[in-house]
Amino acid sequence: DTAVSQTPKYLVTQMGNDKSIKCEQNLGHDTMYWYKQDSKKFLKIMFSYNNKELIINETVPNRFSPKSPDKAHLNLHINSLELGDSAVYFCASSATSGSNYEQYFGPGTRLTVT
Amino acid sequence: LAKTTQPISMDSYEGQEVNITCSHNNIATNDYITWYQQFPSQGPRFIIQGYKTKVTNEVASLFIPADRKSSTLSLPRVSLSDTAVYYCLVPGGSQGNLIFGKGTKLSVKP
Repeated sequence: DTAVSQTPKYLVTQMGNDKSIKCEQNLGHDTMYWYKQDSKKFLKIMFSYNNKELIINETVPNRFSPKSPDKAHLNLHINSLELGDSAVYFCASSATSGSNYEQYFGPGTRLTVT
Repeated sequence: LAKTTQPISMDSYEGQEVNITCSHNNIATNDYITWYQQFPSQGPRFIIQGYKTKVTNEVASLFIPADRKSSTLSLPRVSLSDTAVYYCLVPGGSQGNLIFGKGTKLSVKP
């Protein structure tokens, strides 16, 4: 069974559209994250949720919003997509949000905005 | 805020030991340093984590000097399958913030 899964794997859409990426973890972890990896392969944290509470909110546009229906899911909603949103988005989870940062990553969602 | 610096790329040959250093200033006293490996079209994968001195597991060692301003990931006897990008990760100083290094692309040649 896949520990951290994301859907879809590929997402191609036009500017101005609204889209969502889903993430699920079956590890029983308390914290989940969303990362953006740009074309230069730089990884930047966007959000994390710990027990349904947002504990990190990086300087991302408010067009991006994380939604956590339960501890096992953290979905990413993106409104009014822009060309610069094209990237690979990774979901991850960890047992705790403390100094133990061993994270398990999903396979990524490649978003292409045209 | 913490900031990390890693070499952009490194080349090696099979069977050699590879050491990748990450400089990280301003990490807090209780912060752990973590390293990840990423293959193309995959998510990063945890390799090793440490707080001070030396940590060793079945795939790598991590050396952290007393001042903790850097850490060195050591891969013993690399093989072609170790070709990947390696990232260091440290807490960023503000509550729960995490800073990934820009990654070191390791190329292992036969």
